[in-house]
Amino acid sequence: NAGVTQTPKFQVLKTGQSMTLQCAQDMNHEYMSWYRQDPGMGLRLIHYSVGAGITDQGEVPNGYNVSRSTTEDFPLRLLSAAPSQTSVYFCASSYADKFNYGYTFGSGTRLTVV
Amino acid sequence: AQSVTQLGSHVSVSEGALVLLRCNYSSSVPPYLFWYVQYPNQGLQLLLKYTSAATLVKGINGFEAEFKKSETSFHLTKPSAHMSDAAEYFCAVSGTGQAGTALIFGKGTTLSVSS
Repeated sequence: NAGVTQTPKFQVLKTGQSMTLQCAQDMNHEYMSWYRQDPGMGLRLIHYSVGAGITDQGEVPNGYNVSRSTTEDFPLRLLSAAPSQTSVYFCASSYADKFNYGYTFGSGTRLTVV
Repeated sequence: AQSVTQLGSHVSVSEGALVLLRCNYSSSVPPYLFWYVQYPNQGLQLLLKYTSAATLVKGINGFEAEFKKSETSFHLTKPSAHMSDAAEYFCAVSGTGQAGTALIFGKGTTLSVSS
C-alpha cells in the first residue's frame, strides 16, 4: 500500500542510548519532515527535507539528527536519549507543492525514555 | 510569524448535534489552512484544506470549514455529529520564510460524542 511507513511502532530506551527511527515513503514525495507530538503541545517540527541531500532544522531540533540520502527514506537519529524525548514521533511527506496537496502522515512511533 | 490558536482543548457534543471546532490564525501573507483528524493510536488524516480557491471548503466525512479573512478564522463544522467523529482535531497554517516549508499546527481539540 502506498503511504508513509514508520518503524518501530513502539520503543523503550534507557537514558543515554541512541537509536534511529525509520521513515520511508513510496509516493515519490520531495518533501519529508519529522514532528513530535506531546500532550497539549500539538505537533512541533523537528527537522525537514526538501529533497535528497538537503535537510534543515525545525522548531525543536536539539538532540536529533537527520539525513536524506534517497528520496524515499528520512531517518531520525536520537544521539543520546533523554527522558524529555519521550513522545510520539510522526513522519510526514508531501509533493513540493505541499500547500496544495497537504501532508501524508505515518502512523507514528511511540518512544519512552526511562 | 505564523501561528494557529484552537479555542477549546476539549469539546463535547451529543450524537446528532452540531459540531463546531474553532481555529484562529495569524499570518503575514495569504495563508493556506488545513484541518487534520487523528483517531486514537493513528497518524493524522487530512480532513480539508483552504488554498484560496473558495472560502467554504468541504471535506471528508461531512465536515466543512469557512475561511473568514476579516475574522482570521477557519472554524470546522459538521451539522450532525456521529459517534465515529470522536477524535482529536488539528488546525494548521502554512509557514513563511524559513518556516515556509512546514505546516504550523495548533495544539489540538479533542471531540467527544455522547449517545
